[in-house]
Amino acid sequence: DIQMTQSPSFVSASVGDRVTITCRASQGIGNWLAWYQQKPGKAPKLLIYAASNLQSGVPSRFSGSGSGTDFTLTISSLQPEDFATYYCQQADRFPHTFGQGTKLEIK
Amino acid sequence: EVQLVESGGGLVQPGQSLTLSCKGSGFTFGDYGTYWFRQAPGKGLEWMTFIRGKAYGGTAEYATSVRGRFTTSRDDSKSVAYLQMSSLKIEDTAVYYCATELRIGSWWTRGKDVWGQGTTVTVSS
Repeated sequence: DIQMTQSPSFVSASVGDRVTITCRASQGIGNWLAWYQQKPGKAPKLLIYAASNLQSGVPSRFSGSGSGTDFTLTISSLQPEDFATYYCQQADRFPHTFGQGTKLEIK
Repeated sequence: EVQLVESGGGLVQPGQSLTLSCKGSGFTFGDYGTYWFRQAPGKGLEWMTFIRGKAYGGTAEYATSVRGRFTTSRDDSKSVAYLQMSSLKIEDTAVYYCATELRIGSWWTRGKDVWGQGTTVTVSS
């Protein structure tokens, strides 16, 4: 199975801050990486697909980049509604493994 | 409105079986594969199974942790996918989600854009 390693596991930031979350795959996955946001008690929400494509309706402050084994999710200017847990997921081959998650909290 | 709704969760004893359902609406369910994920209390997301749409043979993939115990199937006439779980273990306790994949024209993006609300399975004696 492909292992996905996210960092950091936890980040404390303020409204207006720029935040970057990284995800590393244990082997190359091309650009088959997605990012999800999850709030407590809710289903995950797709933010980014195929590494860098912004899902419809997702604010442009979210962006994704990377290919191969190293990927990043950037939130350019944090808004109050962005405080949540973020997961990367590889979809290059089954099982479609997730990173362990990054919890983004208000400083 | 495009929607998935899971049902069938509940409290069961170790070793028992349970079947979850995932009903789609607002789209042609049979054209899409269905994923199942789970999330144990306080833990991260875990991919469980995927069943392909009819155009791709309707075949399935399974996570190692559930292969041989869980079976996914679909009834496109009812727009429903199923997750049959047997020999349940305490560690199968989780919220179970189904989801489908974003398709843009003919491009399957592999991003899961439609999710159900989740159904809770508790395995306890």
